[in-house]
Amino acid sequence: EVQLLESGGGLVQPGGSLRLSCAASGFTFNNYAMTWVRQAPGKGLEWISAIRGSGFNTYYADSVRGRFTISTDNSGNTLFLQMNSLSAEDTAVYYCAKRGGENSGPFDFWGQGTLVTVSS
Amino acid sequence: DIQMTQSPSTLSASIGDRVTITCRASQSISGWLAWYQQKPGKAPKLLIYQASRLQSGVPSRFSGSGSGTEFTLTISSLQPDDFANYYCQQYSSYSLTFGGGTKVEIK
Repeated sequence: EVQLLESGGGLVQPGGSLRLSCAASGFTFNNYAMTWVRQAPGKGLEWISAIRGSGFNTYYADSVRGRFTISTDNSGNTLFLQMNSLSAEDTAVYYCAKRGGENSGPFDFWGQGTLVTVSS
Repeated sequence: DIQMTQSPSTLSASIGDRVTITCRASQSISGWLAWYQQKPGKAPKLLIYQASRLQSGVPSRFSGSGSGTEFTLTISSLQPDDFANYYCQQYSSYSLTFGGGTKVEIK
């Protein structure tokens, strides 16, 4: 059974940093691309970053490029999102999701989400 | 970036109704489109991928169609469990985008 468990969310001050983790199990981690999606309170879904299964290629939405970094620890089956220079606009529930292919595909399994609140 | 436009943003329907949601892409995405269902406080759930392929375990009352720039999600007979938000998503390009969402509410 595929399971994805996010952690690391919380309250952070504007300009601060936070690192999210997503522990994966139930599939061969480095065979599938992984991604992060966020949802601001009362808003729709926003894709923010993806990484291919090999870890060699990373992709970012314009809204986070240069501030966020996606990475994986394949030995630990864990996906990370390092978030720097946070602002109130980054307040959201952050979901990790598994993609259906090594570098493509829909998001076939999702974690339960972790809330990030940026506020002073 | 490819823009995805969903309509309507809100849809009021009754149990047993046939419901159709439309998604339009700003450029051709071939058939690289997915539909997700999200209930309040929960993670999204994949319903349809590659425009018309039903994800395992999803009831057959859900169906998808379309290609290029115009796509539809149809619920053939709305059930109580189907009242939720629905999102389309293109995965044709490396920059992935979601539609704005459609809330299906009880009439």
